[in-house]
Amino acid sequence: EAGVAQSPRYKIIEKRQSVAFWCNPISGHATLYWYQQILGQGPKLLIQFQNNGVVDDSQLPKDRFSAERLKGVDSTLKIQPAKLEDSAVYLCASSLVANVLTFGAGSRLTVL
Amino acid sequence: GNSVTQMEGPVTLSEEAFLTINCTYTATGYPSLFWYVQYPGEGLQLLLKATKADDKGSNKGFEATYRKETTSFHLEKGSVQVSDSAVYFCALGNIGGGGADGLTFGKGTHLIIQP
Repeated sequence: EAGVAQSPRYKIIEKRQSVAFWCNPISGHATLYWYQQILGQGPKLLIQFQNNGVVDDSQLPKDRFSAERLKGVDSTLKIQPAKLEDSAVYLCASSLVANVLTFGAGSRLTVL
Repeated sequence: GNSVTQMEGPVTLSEEAFLTINCTYTATGYPSLFWYVQYPGEGLQLLLKATKADDKGSNKGFEATYRKETTSFHLEKGSVQVSDSAVYFCALGNIGGGGADGLTFGKGTHLIIQP
């Protein structure tokens, strides 16, 4: 089966600019997650979707981050405006069974 | 809230040495426990898991036992290889209301195996 697809793989922007990341989960996986992994740290959950509804966004910095999953399949994570501390790898994951996540390769963001 | 603490790295071992990476957790209830591995240039991959107390997860020669009494899930391997060099993450499965079931990760342990 195809894995979790993410794009772009790499993005470099200047602070205060905006950026968007795209994720296509494994077919049939109703649950989709976005994680932020800062260099040297473990991934931190930003948001969890069940189909097109938000289940958990308690750690999403809502003043600058937004995410949507309009048709319950692919998802977009946006950052506007970006700050230096947003430099990280943004990981998308999907699951069919609770707690069993399959991760994409990630999108590496560098904010200058 | 839930949290995972794992030993700081890097951990440097010689090939064929015995490996232990310590992991302890704090959680309400009895979460599932996981070890994920991230090889250089690759994404996170599930290595093994255990879903209840005293369960032993195993894969590729690695093992970890869910110890409720010590809230631990230490990763072990009897004889490591150079190809095991990677970053290892301990994680627990959240059990939240409304279906919130993401993972809480530790900071990761960088393992370096020298020939």
